[in-house]
Amino acid sequence: DAGVIQSPRHEVTEMGQEVTLRCKPISGHNSLFWYRQTMMRGLELLIYFNNNVPIDDSGMPEDRFSAKMPNASFSTLKIQPSEPRDSAVYFCASSLDRDQETQYFGPGTRLLVL
Amino acid sequence: AQKITQTQPGMFVQEKEAVTLDCTYDTSDQSYGLFWYKQPSSGEMIFLIYQGSYDEQNATEGRYSLNFQKARKSANLVISASQLGDSAMYFCAMRGSSGYSTLTFGKGTMLLVSP
Repeated sequence: DAGVIQSPRHEVTEMGQEVTLRCKPISGHNSLFWYRQTMMRGLELLIYFNNNVPIDDSGMPEDRFSAKMPNASFSTLKIQPSEPRDSAVYFCASSLDRDQETQYFGPGTRLLVL
Repeated sequence: AQKITQTQPGMFVQEKEAVTLDCTYDTSDQSYGLFWYKQPSSGEMIFLIYQGSYDEQNATEGRYSLNFQKARKSANLVISASQLGDSAMYFCAMRGSSGYSTLTFGKGTMLLVSP
């Protein structure tokens, strides 16, 4: 079975540019999470969707960040305009609303904003 | 509020020995879940093991076991017969019962396995 798929795996962009990160959750999972990981702040939850609806976006840093989940098999995280401090690894994870609700992570997108 | 504490920034162990990575948690929830993830240098987050707060038995998955002491609010990961490939960052995480499925992560412990 395919795990969580993220694209691109690496992104280098210049400050001020728009960045779009993509995620395909595990088929059948109904919860999706976006995380950001940096050395300074560790793993931070940015936003959490359940059944395609944003439930908790309190971790989204500011208005430059937005996330959508138009259907059960696709989500995007957009940064516009990007800044150097957005450089981080962005993970997408998905889980099933049942039993352990274990979150399975994608490989991450390494973002570098110059 | 939930909190996960991993007090060991780094641990060293020799190949084939067992190692315990510490994790303590704080929550007012009666029902919760505890997770361990492994993050090797390649960067991916790999789920290792889960323990539910009402599980009577300690969880085991192959060489991984979770030493769950509810009264002490600890959920230590035990890796038996360490292998070089076990060298990685290890994160403890907790999910509460607030209705949300979100996880609270600790800061992690870096494990280095030497030959």
